Amino acid sequence: QSALTQPASVSGSPGQSIIISCIGTGSDVGFYNLVSWFQQHPGKAPRLIIYEVNKRPSGVSNRFSGSKSGDAASLTISGLQAEDEADYHCCSFAGSSFVIFGGGTKLTVL
Amino acid sequence: QVQLQESGPGLVKPSETLSLTCTVSSASISGYHWSWIRQPPGKGLEWIGYIYESGNTNYNPSLKSRVTISVDTSKKQFSLKLRSVTAADAAVYYCARLISGSGTGLDVWGRGTTVSVSS
Repeated sequence: QSALTQPASVSGSPGQSIIISCIGTGSDVGFYNLVSWFQQHPGKAPRLIIYEVNKRPSGVSNRFSGSKSGDAASLTISGLQAEDEADYHCCSFAGSSFVIFGGGTKLTVL
Repeated sequence: QVQLQESGPGLVKPSETLSLTCTVSSASISGYHWSWIRQPPGKGLEWIGYIYESGNTNYNPSLKSRVTISVDTSKKQFSLKLRSVTAADAAVYYCARLISGSGTGLDVWGRGTTVSVSS
C-alpha cells in the first residue's frame, strides 16, 4: 500500500488561509470517512488536530478544519499564525485494520 | 491527564530485536486500542500496528513478519518487539492511544524514543 500523497511544502502569510491536500485512493481516503490530521513541531510528538475527516478534538482551534471529496482530503488553516508553522501529516484507515500516513507537508508562515 | 511514556534501549545491533515498552498513566488501558508509530530521520510517519486490551492485534503488512505487540493490563503497559532490525529501522518510535471507532484518531502520544541501529 502506497503512502498518501501530500505536497512537500506550502506557505502563507499571517492572517491568510492555506489548504493542504492529501490524496489517496478508493481503498482508503475515498472509501472511509476515517481521515485524521496531525500537527508536528520540530522535535515534538505529533498532535491530533482533526479526526474522522472534520472533527476537532477538544482544545483544538476552530481555525483548523478538514474536508473530503472523492479520494482527496484537505486540511484548511484559516487566520494563519506564526505558531502554525509546523509539519502536517494526514492519515487514513485503509481497511483490514490497516492505517496509512501521508509523507507530511512543511508549512512555512512567511 | 493521560500520559504515555516510551522506554527501551536507544541502540540496537543489526539483526537483533528492538524492544520497547509504553507505560500508560492517569488513565485506564481498558476500552482503547494502543498503537506504535515510527518516524525515520527527516521522513514521515509510519504506522506499525495496534493492540486492544484483549490482546487482539493488527500490524502494518510491510512489517507484519517481524513485529509483535503485546499488552500487560496489570502494569498498564504495552510493548513492541521488532525482530531482525536493519539500518532502515532506525527511527523515533512513538506510542499512542486511538480514539475508539475513529480508525486513525490518535489523540494521546508519548514523547517518542530514538532508536539507532549500529554494530
